Amino acid sequence: AAGVIQSPRHLIKEKRETATLKCYPIPRHDTVYWYQQGPGQDPQFLISFYVKMQSDKGSIPDRFSAQQFSDYHSELNMSSLELGDSALYFCASSFRRGRNSGNTIYFGEGSWLTVV
Amino acid sequence: GENVEQHPSTLSVQEGDSAVIKCTYSDSASNYFPWYKQELGKGPQLIIDIRSNVGEKKDQRIAVTLNKTAKHFSLHITETQPEDSAVYFCAASKSSDSGTYKYIFGTGTRLKVLA
Repeated sequence: AAGVIQSPRHLIKEKRETATLKCYPIPRHDTVYWYQQGPGQDPQFLISFYVKMQSDKGSIPDRFSAQQFSDYHSELNMSSLELGDSALYFCASSFRRGRNSGNTIYFGEGSWLTVV
Repeated sequence: GENVEQHPSTLSVQEGDSAVIKCTYSDSASNYFPWYKQELGKGPQLIIDIRSNVGEKKDQRIAVTLNKTAKHFSLHITETQPEDSAVYFCAASKSSDSGTYKYIFGTGTRLKVLA
């Protein structure tokens, strides 16, 4: 079965540079989530989108922005990178059902960002 | 604020023994509780989930129990194998105001199965 596709898998950037991560959700999934996971940490929610609209916002820094496009893929843009931004960034997707049905989110393999 | 406590943080068991990981959540509105297995350098993979209208669910060697009153849920792995070694995350989820699903993750349990 198709999974969540993230690119690039690895990237190295210098401080103050910018980086863009891409996420292609599972086909038919309309909701995308972005998470940041530091070494030995649990995933921290950054932001989510439902049919191109920002849905929820977590601990996303102001230096970061994201959007979801008409084909439901999403991009996370990170500017003025800092050493502390080094982490594994996950995208997850889900298909929105009824409000109270409980929805499973499926994670991609992540994009490793190293800021030097 | 909302949080999910997960214990233990590390767990070592002998191959063939059982492993139990426990989570406690704070938000009584949570209604969906997935468990993810994360291997080194990979994304979390869903292994089992349970909804708030169910007390127990089993899938082969893996089972999850939910006590809504106590706000506890647990993962049970029987007949552990070396390939079960990974970090396991619990999560508590509920619908957000926007209609998407807000997940609060536990801090993870590193399980080592010793051959």
